[in-house]
Amino acid sequence: QSVLTQPPSASGTPGQRVTISCSGSSSNIGSNFVYWYQQLPGTAPKLLIYRNNQRPSGVPDRFSGSKSGTSASLAISGLRSEDEADYYCAAWDDSLSGRVVFGGGTKLTVL
Amino acid sequence: QVQLQESGPGLVKPSETLSLTCTVSGGSISSYNWSWIRQPPGKGLEWIGYMYYSGSTNYNPSLKSRVTISVDTSKNQFSLKLSSVTAADTAVYYCARHWFCGGDCPDFDYWGQGTLVTVSS
Repeated sequence: QSVLTQPPSASGTPGQRVTISCSGSSSNIGSNFVYWYQQLPGTAPKLLIYRNNQRPSGVPDRFSGSKSGTSASLAISGLRSEDEADYYCAAWDDSLSGRVVFGGGTKLTVL
Repeated sequence: QVQLQESGPGLVKPSETLSLTCTVSGGSISSYNWSWIRQPPGKGLEWIGYMYYSGSTNYNPSLKSRVTISVDTSKNQFSLKLSSVTAADTAVYYCARHWFCGGDCPDFDYWGQGTLVTVSS
């Protein structure tokens, strides 16, 4: 059971806009930044969004992040076949002695 | 370009200690925090713990009693030891660098390719 809750799957057609949600609590998303990772099959995760809505250099502006209260979202516009991957949200959790927590991951299928 | 490479046994017996090393090349291990993260086959990511190059550490409370992360700055390496392993510890183990935060945020900008460790007799 992951601390952050994501839908297990999402899908869209090429060119469409899709969003992936990430729900947490006051001890994680509610009080800390949210990060998003993209994991292509058989590869290590790649940082996609940091500090809620910032893109590292090289990440297309088709990817955007937002946060409100204890929830966050990743939006992908102009969907492409190469976007088919697993997406994870992550945050620091202040409970216990502090820890990094991840969502369970969302598998995005491009139809 | 910074590169990370995990190394260690791919098979560990139950109740024994899993030992992995992450070698950092293309940059210094100093002045950054470094984490271990694992992913059971077909499942999600789990953070194991981080360490600062000076040696200070912070571990996932769920694994804290079994985990030790250490650093060898002379070799630009850091290591993971996980004791008393069971089949539930079978996973791909990744090492990763924290980009700019002090360890207390998941801003991993560089990752190793991952190494599969299977716990089985």
